[in-house]
Amino acid sequence: QKEVEQNSGPLSVPEGAIASLNCTYSDRVSQSFFWYRQYSGKSPELIMSIYSNGDKEDGRFTAQLNKASQYVSLLIRDSQPSDSATYLCAVLFGNEKLTFGTGTRLTIIP
Amino acid sequence: GAGVSQSPSNKVTEKGKDVELRCDPISGHTALYWYRQSLGQGLEFLIYFQGNSAPDKSGLPSDRFSAERTGGSVSTLTIQRTQQEDSAVYLCASSLDQSDYNEQFFGPGTRLTVL
Repeated sequence: QKEVEQNSGPLSVPEGAIASLNCTYSDRVSQSFFWYRQYSGKSPELIMSIYSNGDKEDGRFTAQLNKASQYVSLLIRDSQPSDSATYLCAVLFGNEKLTFGTGTRLTIIP
Repeated sequence: GAGVSQSPSNKVTEKGKDVELRCDPISGHTALYWYRQSLGQGLEFLIYFQGNSAPDKSGLPSDRFSAERTGGSVSTLTIQRTQQEDSAVYLCASSLDQSDYNEQFFGPGTRLTVL
């Protein structure tokens, strides 16, 4: 079983709708969780970090963490075509290296 | 402020040649990471530095790969006797330190093509 798993997609969402991206992780001590956005041909860009259970909102983005169920999600409200990208979930297990999922490709349909 | 910079942005080399990739982290960041991303694939961890020391070299694919960091700043990743399977984008990231928070910021990458 992979340590960090994401549905590879593609996930297609109409413009203006809510895009929901999910990530599950293996049962290990973990305390830090990150979402990166990667446009085609570009490097990953950190968009959200979350460290405790619950929701964290930043503009149109909301990260949700549920450690009991071992999942972290990213919601994008009022989706825009510019949100079309691959979204990478990353988990810091203990104090080890950051482990990335393989990413979910999101397409916003105008 | 300035972000992570990497050079060259593109490198084309012939099989068997050595290449050197450079990473300049964000000023004040003590932790530096190297990753590799092949076309359409996820991020593959290679090595990280805390200061000038490399506590975790577990991701280096073979002994042809080495990295160093001097002065707690610039790092170079060297690939000796390059092979075609080394073709990928090599990404560098830095973070304030190797702590629980560990927000890593990536450079633009070096696209390596081995002919």
